[in-house]
Amino acid sequence: DIQMTQSPSSLSASVGDRVTITCRASQSISSSLNWYQQKPGKAPKVLIYAASSLQGGVPSRFSGGGSGTDFTFTISSLQPEDSATYYCQQSYSAPYTFGQGTKLEIK
Amino acid sequence: EVQVVESGGGLVQPGGSLRLSCAASGFTFASYAMSWVRQAPGKGLEWVSIISASGNTAYYADSVKGRFTISRDNSKNTLYLQMNSLRAEDTAVYYCTKAMTSSWKSGFDPWGQGTLVTVSS
Repeated sequence: DIQMTQSPSSLSASVGDRVTITCRASQSISSSLNWYQQKPGKAPKVLIYAASSLQGGVPSRFSGGGSGTDFTFTISSLQPEDSATYYCQQSYSAPYTFGQGTKLEIK
Repeated sequence: EVQVVESGGGLVQPGGSLRLSCAASGFTFASYAMSWVRQAPGKGLEWVSIISASGNTAYYADSVKGRFTISRDNSKNTLYLQMNSLRAEDTAVYYCTKAMTSSWKSGFDPWGQGTLVTVSS
């Protein structure tokens, strides 16, 4: 099974900051990496798919990059509504494992 | 509007069974793989199972293999998850979600609101 290691597990940043989360796969997953946002009590929502493709309707301050085993998720200018938990997920092969999540708090 | 709505959750005793359903609308259900993902209280997301568009192929997480069965009825636009031999550690909100593309190597969107399964005596 492919293990996904996400870091950091939590972070606190200010409005306007640039924030980056990393995700590492235990083996190459090409570009089959997705990023989700989940707010308390709500279902997850896909923000980035195929490592770097922005889902329709998602603000352009969100971006993703990487391939193979190392991936990044970046918020270029943090907004108050970005307070949430973010998860990476590999869709290269079953089981389609998630990272453990990054809880993002706005200072 | 593309939508999936789960139902069937509830309280069940350890060792018991439960069947979850997911009603899909707004897209050609028979053209997309579908998946179940769960989230235990206060914990992260755990992928559970996926089924191909035709229903011929399915995969499971090791934690549920042999106990859970995913299935679909394309004539009813409905996905199912039959859960047997339930354990306390299966307590979670169960989400139904659709593969974004016809390829299995895609993300999942949209997600339902989730249905809570509680396994307790």
